[in-house]
Amino acid sequence: DTGVSQNPRHKITKRGQNVTFRCDPISEHNRLYWYRQTLGQGPEFLTYFQNEAQLEKSRLLSDRFSAERPKGSFSTLEIQRTEQGDSAMYLCASSLAGGTGGTDGYTFGSGTRLTVV
Amino acid sequence: AQSVTQPDIHITVSEGASLELRCNYSYGATPYLFWYVQSPGQGLQLLLKYFSGDTLVQGIKGFEAEFKRSQSSFNLRKPSVHWSDAAEYFCAVLGGYNKLIFGAGTRLAVHP
Repeated sequence: DTGVSQNPRHKITKRGQNVTFRCDPISEHNRLYWYRQTLGQGPEFLTYFQNEAQLEKSRLLSDRFSAERPKGSFSTLEIQRTEQGDSAMYLCASSLAGGTGGTDGYTFGSGTRLTVV
Repeated sequence: AQSVTQPDIHITVSEGASLELRCNYSYGATPYLFWYVQSPGQGLQLLLKYFSGDTLVQGIKGFEAEFKRSQSSFNLRKPSVHWSDAAEYFCAVLGGYNKLIFGAGTRLAVHP
């Protein structure tokens, strides 16, 4: 297993278009997280899955955003009708739930950088 | 509300000099604290973490951090900085559902 994989690495889209990102977590990890990172800021939590269940969504995740994790494996994050304010790095992370609640640490992917023009 | 503050946006040090990056947190209970490093265009790499026990924790790449409950701080230190340490550093606290709450980061530049 080579870690958390995110595709594409970069995406440039016109305002109003829909985009979809994919995250492939470490295979044995049952927890998956999406974060958004804008320039000069730390990552901000978007949503969290345990297996296929989406257990929490941030207020940052507007109605234009939807995330899925079918069968508890890979996850997709879709943004509909993109706006310039959606330009950011979208990071995926996975972890294993366990006695320490996954606090052995996340493994982050390299992210997808979205630019909306 | 849980939060993390990194007071220094940008720090420049000379290679070989010592380094301290500041982190203050706000959390009701005993915090789980982390330091991550991010190189340009890359994801986040865990440097070290604190859960309990010894308040001085050792991490990778020669970094250490000290948890001080009385000051709500978890500062990151390195005795001698290398040029390859230039990156952005993020402090984080573990919140509900094991989500990480990050500070805004400190960008470290290293002069030769």
